[in-house]
Amino acid sequence: DAGVIQSPRHEVTEMGQEVTLRCKPISGHNSLFWYRQTMMRGLELLIYFNNNVPIDDSGMPEDRFSAKMPNASFSTLKIQPSEPRDSAVYFCASSSPGTGTGTDTQYFGPGTRLTVL
Amino acid sequence: KQEVTQIPAALSVPEGENLVLNCSFTDSAIYNLQWFRQDPGKGLTSLLLIQSSQREQTSGRLNASLDKSSGRSTLYIAASQPGDSATYLCAVNTGFQKLVFGTGTRLLVSP
Repeated sequence: DAGVIQSPRHEVTEMGQEVTLRCKPISGHNSLFWYRQTMMRGLELLIYFNNNVPIDDSGMPEDRFSAKMPNASFSTLKIQPSEPRDSAVYFCASSSPGTGTGTDTQYFGPGTRLTVL
Repeated sequence: KQEVTQIPAALSVPEGENLVLNCSFTDSAIYNLQWFRQDPGKGLTSLLLIQSSQREQTSGRLNASLDKSSGRSTLYIAASQPGDSATYLCAVNTGFQKLVFGTGTRLLVSP
């Protein structure tokens, strides 16, 4: 298995531009997570999906952020408009079907390093 | 609100030493606790997962313990090697797969 795939690996953009990050989870996994990692705040959960349905988006910082999962093999995280404070590493993770009590290991992608100038 | 703290923030040891990384959490109502490793520029790799009903888990030279009532976990690394150099993160599962991560311990093992 190729693991969780994220693209692009690096993104540099100017303030005000739209940014779209992409994620392909491990085949067969039914839960997908988007995280953001910064030096100041560490690793934070932004949103997670179960069976393509957003379950909890309480970590999404503001309306400029949106996430979709149109099918089981693809998800996007969009920032519009982007701001310098959005600069961070964004990780996608997926997990396999379990008992529903949240006991499954999460497998992380390599991340997308976003720089907003 | 669950808060997870890791001590020390950084650790430097010579090769061959046994070492302990600490993780503490404020709310004992957790489903499990995971230890991850993160290499520079890379994603996270899960090392060990301890269910809330378990006391410890072992994998090779790694041993993780959990004391849920006191809100503590330790990761013990035996006979450290330069290849163990990385940042180690603990994360508690607060329910429905939501992970709250600690601040991490940056480990450097010198040859």
